Amino acid sequence: AQKVTQAQTEISVVEKEDVTLDCVYETRDTTYYLFWYKQPPSGELVFLIRRNSFDEQNEISGRYSWNFQKSTSSFNFTITASQVVDSAVYFCALSEAPGSARQLTFGSGTQLTVLP
Amino acid sequence: DARVTQTPRHKVTEMGQEVTMRCQPILGHNTVFWYRQTMMQGLELLAYFRNRAPLDDSGMPKDRFSAEMPDATLATLKIQPSEPRDSAVYFCASGLPLREGPNHEQFFGPGTRLTVL
Repeated sequence: AQKVTQAQTEISVVEKEDVTLDCVYETRDTTYYLFWYKQPPSGELVFLIRRNSFDEQNEISGRYSWNFQKSTSSFNFTITASQVVDSAVYFCALSEAPGSARQLTFGSGTQLTVLP
Repeated sequence: DARVTQTPRHKVTEMGQEVTMRCQPILGHNTVFWYRQTMMQGLELLAYFRNRAPLDDSGMPKDRFSAEMPDATLATLKIQPSEPRDSAVYFCASGLPLREGPNHEQFFGPGTRLTVL
């Protein structure tokens, strides 16, 4: 069975600070996909990134960066120079191999509050 | 600006009543997903469709829930009869698969907030 753990329930930072959201996953499959989603106070879910298990290259997109490490089964998300608009709940998710109808398993989410 | 739309945005009903939630996927997207979000369980995948055919509805309580795609522009999720424990936000998402399975970018609708009294 697959599992996603986001140990940080809530994080509060002051604007312009860097913040890292942790995600640890468990799966028996060698092929899988990892995701991050953002849920702002308005409630909608916004896709941020998808990473497959064969691509361990870290990714940077503007102020966002992701650190994928298979050795520790982690897929951490860093926001550099945080802004108030980054305040949201962030979900990490895992999906197992393509070719089969498997569930997308979400972590419990991390509530990030960026204070002005 | 293509978006997934969901109706209604809010629904309050009494236990035992039928509830129908509707979703219009982004034009051209051939996969549709239904999720449920609650405080206790977090986000759960209920069902997903490709080319209007249900591929996986294992996350859905079969006795009272049903999901259909009457056509490519409409997906429905019905609960009959509804129960208080069904109170949640129900999200619909659509996407284009790079490969089989739910392993691709999904665009979410705004959700339907359901309250069953």
